[in-house]
Amino acid sequence: NAGVTQTPKFRVLKTGQSMTLLCAQDMNHEYMYWYRQDPGMGLRLIHYSVGEGTTAKGEVPDGYNVSRLKKQNFLLGLESAAPSQTSVYFCASSYTAFARGKLAKNIQYFGAGTRLSVL
Amino acid sequence: GQQLNQSPQSMFIQEGEDVSMNCTSSSIFNTWLWYKQDPGEGPVLLIALYKAGELTSNGRLTAQFGITRKDSFLNISASIPSDVGIYFCAGQVDSNYQLIWGAGTKLIIKP
Repeated sequence: NAGVTQTPKFRVLKTGQSMTLLCAQDMNHEYMYWYRQDPGMGLRLIHYSVGEGTTAKGEVPDGYNVSRLKKQNFLLGLESAAPSQTSVYFCASSYTAFARGKLAKNIQYFGAGTRLSVL
Repeated sequence: GQQLNQSPQSMFIQEGEDVSMNCTSSSIFNTWLWYKQDPGEGPVLLIALYKAGELTSNGRLTAQFGITRKDSFLNISASIPSDVGIYFCAGQVDSNYQLIWGAGTKLIIKP
């Protein structure tokens, strides 16, 4: 049972280079998320998706783009990497349940993370 | 925007001691979640709370959903070395897919 898989696990970029982080989930979850984690700041949401073909901005979206072409995959792109984007990136997908038309449960499951350094 | 205050930031404890940590918010939440993150791994769900006043246990861990719906508490009894890690609280408001996260409590066990 793979759950949420992130690739790569580590990456070093030079300023201005581009790259794509891949997230894959095998739990048939509709919702997926990309976070970054910096020391002492917890998790900050970059972008999220509530279904195939849809994406939305989170708390810190600048400098990142995402795509959700297939339900099981959520890609995070950096077009021109900057040192400020040095961080650990986590992908998550969520199990959701609704009650009386409202979101009642939203349990997020995380990948192991991608450690990115931008020099 | 909405914020969660999680305290303490870090704890140094002896093996066998009980641990308490909490999160408070200026907003009302309808769900509180507690996660643990081991070094080099992603957060893993420990306990989910859905009702004000709810008290839920998972082994030596017990979490409570505050009556005001603006706070939550996590207790760990008789700590062991594998309890080391960072504990995060997260809250959710109605009909919002996003979670609001605390900054984490780092638990360190003194040898």
